[in-house]
Amino acid sequence: GENVEQHPSTLSVQEGDSAVIKCTYSDSASNYFPWYKQELGKRPQLIIDIRSNVGEKKDQRIAVTLNKTAKHFSLHITETQPEDSAVYFCAVPPGTASKLTFGTGTRLQVTL
Amino acid sequence: EADIYQTPRYLVIGTGKKITLECSQTMGHDKMYWYQQDPGMELHLIHYSYGVNSTEKGDLSSESTVSRIRTEHFPLTLESARPSHTSQYLCASSEFGAGGNSPLHFGNGTRLTVT
Repeated sequence: GENVEQHPSTLSVQEGDSAVIKCTYSDSASNYFPWYKQELGKRPQLIIDIRSNVGEKKDQRIAVTLNKTAKHFSLHITETQPEDSAVYFCAVPPGTASKLTFGTGTRLQVTL
Repeated sequence: EADIYQTPRYLVIGTGKKITLECSQTMGHDKMYWYQQDPGMELHLIHYSYGVNSTEKGDLSSESTVSRIRTEHFPLTLESARPSHTSQYLCASSEFGAGGNSPLHFGNGTRLTVT
């Protein structure tokens, strides 16, 4: 099956700083790379995703970069705000299968 | 409003009881999933379905079973609950995209406690 590693497990940044979370995966055939945000007591929600035919995608303060050769992709959050505090999960499908294996999560804390 | 609904939100039951966790979606999605998640921790896929009468076991071994008789409904059943089943169960759905994968939409989850 797909092996997904996510780092760091916890990340504390000051408001206004940038945050970067990285995921590595094992299956070179994987073609879809989403990131989910889960606030305390809430359901996970998709914040951004990227497909294997592009290297970078941006949505306001959030971006995802993909390196297919090295088999890793990263979430970048700029100008962090307290409401960015949450657990972030990457996910990868095993090959082109229509199911997702999730990373272990990164707890992001944005301090004032 | 199109969404995915799970009931009950919280459930406390005794060991040995049979329970069914309900999941329904009004989004018209073909694919549905059940994930198990301890609070703030990794999500583990336990069952999934690509359509009516299609069900598959996920990556995490589970003593639960599922059925998919209607597109919108994907219940999960535990025949005999044990304390090790204490966890949060998240139902999700996605549409059948041309690229194979499309975003998961999650329900609010059922937090199960087995005493």
